[in-house]
Amino acid sequence: GNSVTQMEGPVTLSEEAFLTINCTYTATGYPSLFWYVQYPGEGLQLLLKATKADDKGSNKGFEATYRKETTSFHLEKGSVQVSDSAVYFCALRGATNKLIFGTGTLLAVQP
Amino acid sequence: GAGVSQSPSNKVTEKGKDVELRCDPISGHTALYWYRQRLGQGLEFLIYFQGNSAPDKSGLPSDRFSAERTGESVSTLTIQRTQQEDSAVYLCASSLTGGNAGNTIYFGEGSWLTVV
Repeated sequence: GNSVTQMEGPVTLSEEAFLTINCTYTATGYPSLFWYVQYPGEGLQLLLKATKADDKGSNKGFEATYRKETTSFHLEKGSVQVSDSAVYFCALRGATNKLIFGTGTLLAVQP
Repeated sequence: GAGVSQSPSNKVTEKGKDVELRCDPISGHTALYWYRQRLGQGLEFLIYFQGNSAPDKSGLPSDRFSAERTGESVSTLTIQRTQQEDSAVYLCASSLTGGNAGNTIYFGEGSWLTVV
């Protein structure tokens, strides 16, 4: 069945550091891929998405590229801020129409 | 409404009692989902509605859990004879249709359930 594997956390970085959170998936067909973010005390929000191979999703300085050849959708940001501290979830949505999530990665950015 | 609305936002109940959690999806969204998030863990899929039908209820953990949707709008998740392991945040989500995998799924703030 479909599944998502993402890098375990916590990830602790200093402000302005480069961020990568790895995400790989297993799926039949051509799923859409998503990154959701959950800030402390808040609900789950869509951060970015990509619906087909080689698409790049981007938002708030974050980027992720849909790589079919490596079945990956790694999240990157060039310079993180304290306000980026949150839990990040990689997810896919395929023919079953439901979102399948990874386990989440806690990011802590220190000033 | 502007977003997915859930109630109650917090619920403390005694073990063995029944609870009902309500979800109002975004107006016009035909697909509705329930997920569960235990403390410090990822999101577990529970059930998916397309309109008032539930083509996928594979994630419901036991027969104590049930859900319904009426009028292609409001949904209620019912947990009977609650157990302590049911303590979690129950998240509702909706999207325009379940038939397009690229459609964004929007989440509510969740209902925090504590079983004591």
